[in-house]
Amino acid sequence: ELKVEQNPLFLSMQEGKNYTIYCNYSTTSDRLYWYRQDPGKSLESLFVLLSNGAVKQEGRLMASLDTKARLSTLHITAAVHDLSATYFCAVGENDMRFGAGTRLTVKP
Amino acid sequence: EAQVTQNPRYLITVTGKKLTVTCSQNMNHEYMSWYRQDPGLGLRQIYYSMNVEVTDKGDVPEGYKVSRKEKRNFPLILESPSPNQTSLYFCASSRAGLPSEQYFGPGTRLTVT
Repeated sequence: ELKVEQNPLFLSMQEGKNYTIYCNYSTTSDRLYWYRQDPGKSLESLFVLLSNGAVKQEGRLMASLDTKARLSTLHITAAVHDLSATYFCAVGENDMRFGAGTRLTVKP
Repeated sequence: EAQVTQNPRYLITVTGKKLTVTCSQNMNHEYMSWYRQDPGLGLRQIYYSMNVEVTDKGDVPEGYKVSRKEKRNFPLILESPSPNQTSLYFCASSRAGLPSEQYFGPGTRLTVT
């Protein structure tokens, strides 16, 4: 059974600092998704990673995928308050498995 | 505007009273899916559909039914709701055939007393 683990589950950062969220999964998959959820809102897509070594960047967020290690990372560079949200990784083709989410709080 | 809509957005009901949560998308997506979100558990997939008349169980299908009679609609049916089905429900859709991000509806908060 496919399991997806994220860590940390809670992350409090100072503005301007860097940090990384990790997403490990238990079975082979060559596609991984990152989503963002603002409090009380729905989910929106951030990245789709489709192959080993894939790297995508959008603003202060950069996601990468290592299919051999079954690991994806979401790196935050010089955090700003607007990045405060819950971030989910998800793995699968049609039957999707989501991680528990990382609640990020960026403090001034 | 491309969107996924769900109705109702909020629902309080009693144990055993059948209910349906509707989901509709206007993007001509083949794939649709239902999830429930519970604190600390992330999203768990209930059912998904690859196309009209094609549905499959997800991770937590017990107590739920779905149907896909039209491409744009994917209703979630709770025949006999129980308190453990109190949750936040999301419908999502995406293109099929290619790896594609899902577009999520606004969510339906269901409380079963």
